[in-house]
Amino acid sequence: EVQLVESGGGLVQPGGSLRLSCAVSGISFSDHYMDWVRQAPGKGLEWVGRCRDKTNSYTTEYAASVKGRFTISRDDSKNSLHLQMDSLKTEDTAVYYCVRVGRTYYLDSWGQGALVTVSS
Amino acid sequence: DIQMTQSPSSLSASVGDRVTITCRASQGINNNLDWFQQKPGKAPKTLIYAASSLQSGVPSKFSGSGSGTDFTLTISNLQPEDFATYYCRQYSSYPVTFGGGTKVEIK
Repeated sequence: EVQLVESGGGLVQPGGSLRLSCAVSGISFSDHYMDWVRQAPGKGLEWVGRCRDKTNSYTTEYAASVKGRFTISRDDSKNSLHLQMDSLKTEDTAVYYCVRVGRTYYLDSWGQGALVTVSS
Repeated sequence: DIQMTQSPSSLSASVGDRVTITCRASQGINNNLDWFQQKPGKAPKTLIYAASSLQSGVPSKFSGSGSGTDFTLTISNLQPEDFATYYCRQYSSYPVTFGGGTKVEIK
């Protein structure tokens, strides 16, 4: 069974940090790029960033709204993806989805999402 | 950044109807576009990739077309389980961008 399971969400104060993880099972992980996509309450989908595979040196891309504050990493030995979120703002409140990127760059498998709430 | 404009933002339709949703890119993206369905409280589900290729397991009532800047998602024989919000996404260049969504409601 294909599973992408996010964890680590919760309530954090503005300026704080949080680390999300995504455990992937039932599908190939190490040879795929991985994305994070978020959705603020009642809003549409927003791409957060990408981590490429080992062949592409695990390089990353970020949306302008999170660049310099968020860091994506992965551990292929544990089939896991991470999102380190620092200097959090209230506008970062959202459900964060871990998504596998298919061979031709489309999004082929989604996690169930983790809620991050940034509030004082 | 490439802007993705979806229309309409919402529509009302009846069971059995055929509906078409449009997505327009602010510049050419070849066929680097996918479509997603999202139901309330659930993760999105990929329907179409490369503008017109059906994702495995997705029924053929969903179809996509287009290339360059103009794309459409068509849903035939609308059923109760199809009432949801639909999004397009371009992956031609960074940053990857989504359309604003189209909510399909029951008339």
